[in-house]
Amino acid sequence: GAVVSQHPSRVICKSGTSVKIECRSLDFQATTMFWYRQFPKQSLMLMATSNEGSKATYEQGVEKDKFLINHASLTLSTLTVTSAHPEDSSFYICSATGGRSTGELFFGEGSRLTVL
Amino acid sequence: KNEVEQSPQNLTAQEGEFITINCSYSVGISALHWLQQHPGGGIVSLFMLSSGKKKHGRLIATINIQEKHSSLHITASHPRDSAVYICAVEEDSNYQLIWGAGTKLIIKP
Repeated sequence: GAVVSQHPSRVICKSGTSVKIECRSLDFQATTMFWYRQFPKQSLMLMATSNEGSKATYEQGVEKDKFLINHASLTLSTLTVTSAHPEDSSFYICSATGGRSTGELFFGEGSRLTVL
Repeated sequence: KNEVEQSPQNLTAQEGEFITINCSYSVGISALHWLQQHPGGGIVSLFMLSSGKKKHGRLIATINIQEKHSSLHITASHPRDSAVYICAVEEDSNYQLIWGAGTKLIIKP
């Protein structure tokens, strides 16, 4: 079946640095990708929706300048956490779909970010 | 009231027991997902359902669209099944997911 690969699975960085997380669809063209965040002991929360070739749509309360999302190709979306701070430490997950005609929504494995 | 409710929140069972985790939702959906999250955080997609029943190994997932309810069953449970199991639904109109709070399962040897 289709696979969505997320990288890195774990990253530790210093406060003030930027971190990039990649989400790749390995065997299908992902027209739409979604980024979620999970706070400790809480449910996953949608951060933004990105369609290939266009700007991401951010959910209310998510800082677009803080969480830069790029979906430049049909197989790759990136989430960059800029000037990371300890409160950005979280678990980030992407999901991808090739659209209604191809059906399913597929999930990345997730990336755990720890900002020191 | 949450749009996706999971029960129980926590479940501890002995190895070998039959496990059932429930998910009820209140919105119209196009699909329902069951995912497994291990202590390190890694997510594994278990099932996507839009009707009926699916089976994969010791895992079985069912959905009743009329009753807006899905169950995840684990037969012959094993300590390695210990994880958080999350139900998420795709609303009718778009792919955006509504997530359940998760069920933390512990299987004791």
